[in-house]
Amino acid sequence: DAKTTQPPSMDCAEGRAANLPCNHSTISGNEYVYWYRQIHSQGPQYIIHGLKNNETNEMASLIITEDRKSSTLILPHATLRDTAVYYCIVRGNSNSGYALNFGKGTSLLVTP
Amino acid sequence: DVKVTQSSRYLVKRTGEKVFLECVQDMDHENMFWYRQDPGLGLRLIYFSYDVKMKEKGDIPEGYSVSREKKERFSLILESASTNQTSMYLCASSFVIRDIGSGANVLTFGAGSRLTVL
Repeated sequence: DAKTTQPPSMDCAEGRAANLPCNHSTISGNEYVYWYRQIHSQGPQYIIHGLKNNETNEMASLIITEDRKSSTLILPHATLRDTAVYYCIVRGNSNSGYALNFGKGTSLLVTP
Repeated sequence: DVKVTQSSRYLVKRTGEKVFLECVQDMDHENMFWYRQDPGLGLRLIYFSYDVKMKEKGDIPEGYSVSREKKERFSLILESASTNQTSMYLCASSFVIRDIGSGANVLTFGAGSRLTVL
């Protein structure tokens, strides 16, 4: 699986867009980019995933560069409840196990 | 709403006790996973199972065993708890991806079980 690099922490003002970057320069063609988040003392929560195209759902948008070596998770209007650790994971599908490897993620603090 | 339910949110056990952590999912998922999470170390995979009675070791299986007798239930067992097993334990489940490239592998997690071993 490709390794990911994320900044350890970021701040964002409430109501502003939060842009969380992730580098995955060794990604291969069949590997997806996943984003999860973990609010304090809870289990991780799936946010969004993508392969090549940009994706949007009710929670966030995912922008993947054309060369797929990096991506950005965008929370368009951050709220205090978005304060969490955000994990970027790159993983292909295989028949030998489906576990995702979570790194240390980015700790996002949304401030009033 | 679909759920992964972990039987206990908080447990306190003594060194040497046998500990059972139970996880149940109602999504008919084939895959189930046990992770532990410690400060500074992130989530580490202990064991996973891709079918009833099947199990595979993850990155840190030592000191743990698992049981999957029914599709919806995956149990983590600490045969003789030790203080270094004090941690947050997270269960997750997902569908099997039968065709490579046919879709993403999304894990659904439980709320976690915080175990303290004294």
